[in-house]
Amino acid sequence: GAVVSQHPSWVICKSGTSVKIECRSLDFQATTMFWYRQFPKQSLMLMATSNEGSKATYEQGVEKDKFLINHASLTLSTLTVTSAHPEDSSFYICSASPATGWDYGYTFGSGTRLTVV
Amino acid sequence: QQQVKQSPQSLIVQKGGIPIINCAYENTAFDYFPWYQQFPGKGPALLIAIRPDVSEKKEGRFTISFNKSAKQFSLHIMDSQPGDSATYFCAASISGGYNKLIFGAGTRLAVHP
Repeated sequence: GAVVSQHPSWVICKSGTSVKIECRSLDFQATTMFWYRQFPKQSLMLMATSNEGSKATYEQGVEKDKFLINHASLTLSTLTVTSAHPEDSSFYICSASPATGWDYGYTFGSGTRLTVV
Repeated sequence: QQQVKQSPQSLIVQKGGIPIINCAYENTAFDYFPWYQQFPGKGPALLIAIRPDVSEKKEGRFTISFNKSAKQFSLHIMDSQPGDSATYFCAASISGGYNKLIFGAGTRLAVHP
């Protein structure tokens, strides 16, 4: 089945530094990937849609200069949290699907727990 | 119109019980309705999904019931086990492209032994 790998699983960084999170589709090509943010006991909030070879589409209210997304290949999308602050601490999750249509669900990565101190 | 409303927020059942989680949507363009299971510290995992041309779908102990006219769908977990204790999310999307999923707020299920 479709597998999405996310790295790192957790990261602690100092306030003001930048952190990069990787999302890879291991056994399929993903022209589109999605990045979500999840606060404790809350639902998934879509941050942006990552498209291979083009600029990401950000949801309303998400700062594109703070959350940089690069989808440089058909199997890799990266999310960089720039100048991180404690309020950016959250659980970040990516997802992708091997094909369009309802027969293929969206597979999620295992998530990255970011703690900014 | 993009919202998916999910209830209840939390649910406690005894082992063997049948928890039922309900979702409602407004956008009639939605034609893909998946359910995801999430354990603490993990990403969501797809459980089962349904399209609006069927009223029910079963996969193992999980069943989706779909009411197109009422724009509602629900998840039933038969013979629930303590290992089913997790957060469950319903979602909706438009198929035919890489369209985003609209998630419900989630239901925290606890199955007591």
